[in-house]
Amino acid sequence: EVQLVESGGGLVQPGGSLRLSCSASGFTFSSYVMHWVRQAPGKGLEYISAISSNGDKTYYAESVKGRFSISRDNSKNTLYLQMSSLRAEDTAVYYCLHSDSWFYPRIAFDVWGQGTMLTVSS
Amino acid sequence: DIVMTQSPDSLAVSLGERATINCKSRQSVLYIPDNKNYVAWYQQKPGQPPKLLIYWASTRESGVPDRFSGSGSGTNFTLTISSLQAEDVAVYYCQQYYSSPPWTFGQGTKVEIK
Repeated sequence: EVQLVESGGGLVQPGGSLRLSCSASGFTFSSYVMHWVRQAPGKGLEYISAISSNGDKTYYAESVKGRFSISRDNSKNTLYLQMSSLRAEDTAVYYCLHSDSWFYPRIAFDVWGQGTMLTVSS
Repeated sequence: DIVMTQSPDSLAVSLGERATINCKSRQSVLYIPDNKNYVAWYQQKPGQPPKLLIYWASTRESGVPDRFSGSGSGTNFTLTISSLQAEDVAVYYCQQYYSSPPWTFGQGTKVEIK
């Protein structure tokens, strides 16, 4: 069974930093593209970042470019999101997701974890 | 980026009646080589993560009741709930996953009971 478990959220002051983690199991992690999607309280889903299976390709939404960095450790089946210069508008639940391809995947986001909540506030 | 626009933003439907949600993409998400539309639909109930209902615009995910159906091609897509049940109260999102990231979402449609 595929499982994605996000962790690392919490309360951070504006301008601070935090690293989110996503522990994956039930599939060959090193063969899959990984993504981060966030959802601010009461708002919709925002696609923010992706990393290819071997890490050679990354994508960042304009809203996080230059402040967030996505990475992965295929030996640990873990995805990361390093976040810095945090703002109040980064407050959200952060979800990690997987897909079998960078282009035209076989399926959309079929497995969602519970997410991890980040609150940016003084 | 491909912008996805849903309509309406919310709708109220009587139990047992049909609910229809539309989603329009700014550019075609039909991939000609495989003739598939790279659109998915998700359901999100309060306090829960989203759940995949439909992929490739019209393929129902395993375990999803057959009252949920997806249709459309190119730039116009529809999610239909043929007979609304109380447990279908949720926010519904469309998403395109055409080509490479970003795989953008619509703004969401809230479905309630009239």
